[in-house]
Amino acid sequence: QVQLVQSGAEVKKPGASVKVSCKASGYTFSDYYIYWVRQAPGQGLEWMGWINPNRGGTTYAQKFQGWVTMTRDTSISTVYMELSSLKSDDTAVFYCARGGAGFGSGSYLNAFDIWGQGTLVTVSS
Amino acid sequence: EIVMTQSPATLSVSPGERATLSCRASQSVSSNLAWYQQKPDQPPRLLIYGASTRATGIPARFSGSGSGTEFTLTISSLQSEDFAVYYCQQYNNWLGTFGQGTKLEIK
Repeated sequence: QVQLVQSGAEVKKPGASVKVSCKASGYTFSDYYIYWVRQAPGQGLEWMGWINPNRGGTTYAQKFQGWVTMTRDTSISTVYMELSSLKSDDTAVFYCARGGAGFGSGSYLNAFDIWGQGTLVTVSS
Repeated sequence: EIVMTQSPATLSVSPGERATLSCRASQSVSSNLAWYQQKPDQPPRLLIYGASTRATGIPARFSGSGSGTEFTLTISSLQSEDFAVYYCQQYNNWLGTFGQGTKLEIK
């Protein structure tokens, strides 16, 4: 079945970086954009940006520009989200999601039809 | 950045009754609007996209309407499993945004 499986929970110290993976299966990896969403404890959803798995192009929300990097490895159908210079208030669950509902494959104009299970990143000294 | 504003922040409704949730965009997003449901310790689930199209497997009691800047999610007869947090999201350009969420609680 179509699914996104994320890497496990991480504990990082302030100032460190974290790299979260998201492995896609059950569909053609290059057909759909992958998005990342942050959710701080008890808070709402925050749109971070996307990567086009086909060409590798990215777009980031202004808030995350300069400290988030999204990449992909097409050979293993996996995208990565790296966040640098972590602070304690960066503690959150990070979700990857497939943009698959709306204008269809090859477009960023899609809602998120498949979600990963989430990865908790805890930043603590 | 397009700002999405949801109202109310919390909605208390009895099982079997109708719930109406609102979402407003700071500028037109055409019909490129989605609704998600999130339960504790779970990822969000897509309910509605294109403002009014139900996602695969979503019951008919969920319906969406609106275009431009004003949108509504209606749940016609609340079931116990519907009590959750609901988010709207616009995807009208390359920078998407979510609303802050509406918590639907049992009255």
